[in-house]
Amino acid sequence: EPEVTQTPSHQVTQMGQEVILRCVPISNHLYFYWYRQILGQKVEFLVSFYNNEISEKSEIFDDQFSVERPDGSNFTLKIRSTKLEDSAMYFCASSESREDSTDTQYFGPGTRLTVL
Amino acid sequence: DAKTTQPNSMESNEEEPVHLPCNHSTISGTDYIHWYRQLPSQGPEYVIHGLTSNVNNRMASLAIAEDRKSSTLILHRATLRDAAVYYCILRDVVGAGSYQLTFGKGTKLSVIP
Repeated sequence: EPEVTQTPSHQVTQMGQEVILRCVPISNHLYFYWYRQILGQKVEFLVSFYNNEISEKSEIFDDQFSVERPDGSNFTLKIRSTKLEDSAMYFCASSESREDSTDTQYFGPGTRLTVL
Repeated sequence: DAKTTQPNSMESNEEEPVHLPCNHSTISGTDYIHWYRQLPSQGPEYVIHGLTSNVNNRMASLAIAEDRKSSTLILHRATLRDAAVYYCILRDVVGAGSYQLTFGKGTKLSVIP
C-alpha cells in the first residue's frame, strides 16, 4: 500500500539554525500539507500546497517557514531560523483530490524536531 | 469548521465492542463527519467518514444520528492495536471551504488485555 514517507525521523538543531524537513507524498496525490504537534498538545495545521503554490496557511506559518516542491516527488518544509518553540513533531500529509468532498489525507510518520 | 465534543478518555476490554461518541450540535448541512486516529508515536490515520447514512468499512462503523448532531464510531472488537487517540472532525468542503483538518483533543482509548 502506498504511503507518505518523511526524513529524517529525528532532527536536532541549534536555535537560530535553518532546518529542512523532507517528505515524499503518495505518487498520484496532488495536494500536500504540513501539520505539527507539540508534545502533549493537539495536531495543528500549518500549510497546504497545490499546483506549486500555497493554498492555505495558518497563523503559525509565518515568514520563518517556507514550503517547496523541488522536483516531482519531494515536498519540503524549511524553517529559516529555528526557535526553541519550534520543537515539535512535524507531519506531512497528502491527498488525491480536494474537489471530492470525501477527500482523505494520508499522513507520514513524522519528523521529531528538537531545537536546543 | 464546526466544533465537536468528545470524552477525554475511554477504556475497553480487548475483543469487546467500543462505542466512541462525538457531539456536533452546530453541524451544517454540508459538513462531512470524519474520524481519524493517532496511534502512539505515529501520524494520524484516516478511519471512516460519512454524511447522513451509517457507514461501514474494514476498520470500523460510523453511526450518525438522524438529526446529525451526534455520531458514534464503533469498533466491533477492540484489539490492543486499537489503543489510540480518536478524533472526530467536521469538514465542510463545499465551494471555497477550507480543506485543512482541524484536530481537537480527541478521545484517548485504552484497551485492557
